[in-house]
Parts: sequence; structure tokens; C-alpha cells
Amino acid sequence: AQSVTQLGSHVSVSEGALVLLRCNYSSSVPPYLFWYVQYPNQGLQLLLKYTTGATLVKGINGFEAEFKKSETSFHLTKPSAHMSDAAEYFCAVSFKAAGNKLTFGGGTRVLVKP
Amino acid sequence: DGGITQSPKYLFRKEGQNVTLSCEQNLNHDAMYWYRQDPGQGLRLIYYSQIVNDFQKGDIAEGYSVSREKKESFPLTVTSAQKNPTAFYLCATLFRGTVNNYGYTFGSGTRLTVV
Repeated sequence: AQSVTQLGSHVSVSEGALVLLRCNYSSSVPPYLFWYVQYPNQGLQLLLKYTTGATLVKGINGFEAEFKKSETSFHLTKPSAHMSDAAEYFCAVSFKAAGNKLTFGGGTRVLVKP
Repeated sequence: DGGITQSPKYLFRKEGQNVTLSCEQNLNHDAMYWYRQDPGQGLRLIYYSQIVNDFQKGDIAEGYSVSREKKESFPLTVTSAQKNPTAFYLCATLFRGTVNNYGYTFGSGTRLTVV
């Protein structure tokens, strides 16, 4: 069965500093990979996704992620944090062969310090 | 505007009651999903439906039931058998087009509290 691990349940960054959120998955077949952001008491908003093609994916709000098959990773980065980036971030994977079920990591809450 | 409507936004349940959470979509997506979110545990799959009149259990289906009589609607009933129902519930749909045009859309959620 597939699984997703997000390293660090909480991350604190200074405004203007690099944001790096780590995501590793386990799977025997190529997955579809997603990063979502969630603000308090709201649903999930898609930041970016990888399904095929270029392994460096650019998303909204200046975020990007790179799919590294050899490392089974899909880490999320943003060069310069903004106060509005304070939220919870979820990495997720899905597989067509598994009913397209989306499996989530435990989430990483980002705090941005002024 | 196409989207997913979850209602109510907040719901309170007494011990021993069944309650139903609504999820309606006008995206014309075939597949629909229910997730439960608890602090520090990410989102866990309760039930999903890939077509009308068909649904499958997810990872934590015990104490829940669903129906899929219409493409637009996928209501979730939290029964009295669910011992710890207090959580945030999210409904999602999946668009399965080409590989590059594949993605999930989430509703804004229902927060259920047992009182």
C-alpha cells in the first residue's frame, strides 16, 4: 500500500527566507503527486501537481516542487517566505490502479516570523 | 461557477444521533470522496464512489454510511456507531481527463462536534 511521509509537523521560517517542506512516498508504481495548502477552517487548495513530463513543477504563489524518482521524494520549496504563507501544507499521492484514492501525509504547519 | 458545496459548515450532534453531511457538485465529475481530518493526522479516506450507484469503503469506514443515487450528490451519514465523530469532514471530486488534465477539487468542509 502507498504511504506518504512529511518530515516535520511544524516548520518556522523568517519572512524572506527559504521555505522547504519535505515529502517522501512509498510506492511500487509511478504516482501522481500533489501539494495542497489549507488555511484555518477551509478546504484544500491545490498548489501544484506532478502527473507526467517535466519533473520540476511550478505552482501558484511562487511555490515549486521537484519529483525525484530515485529518492521517492517531492519536496516543496519557495525562495522567499511571505507572511501569507502561514498555513498547513499537505503532500498527497494517488494511483490510477488504486481507485484514484488520494493518500495524504500528516501535514506540515508553517509559521512565518516577521 | 462550478464547484462543490458542503453543508452545513458547522454541525452539532448529540450522543447517539445519526447526522448527515451534504456534498453537492456541479462539476460533472464522476468520482467523489469523503475525508476526515483530525489535528496532526492529515486526512483519512472514509468512502469513495467512482460512478453513480457504486461506492467503496476507504480506510476508516466503520460508523459511516454513504449513498450515490445521483452524480451530483454524495451524502455522508455519521451513525451512532462512530464513537469519536468530532472532526472536520471534507468532500472531494476527481476529474479524470488526460494525464495532464487530472485533478481533485475539495469542498470547504463541515466541522462536526459532538455535544
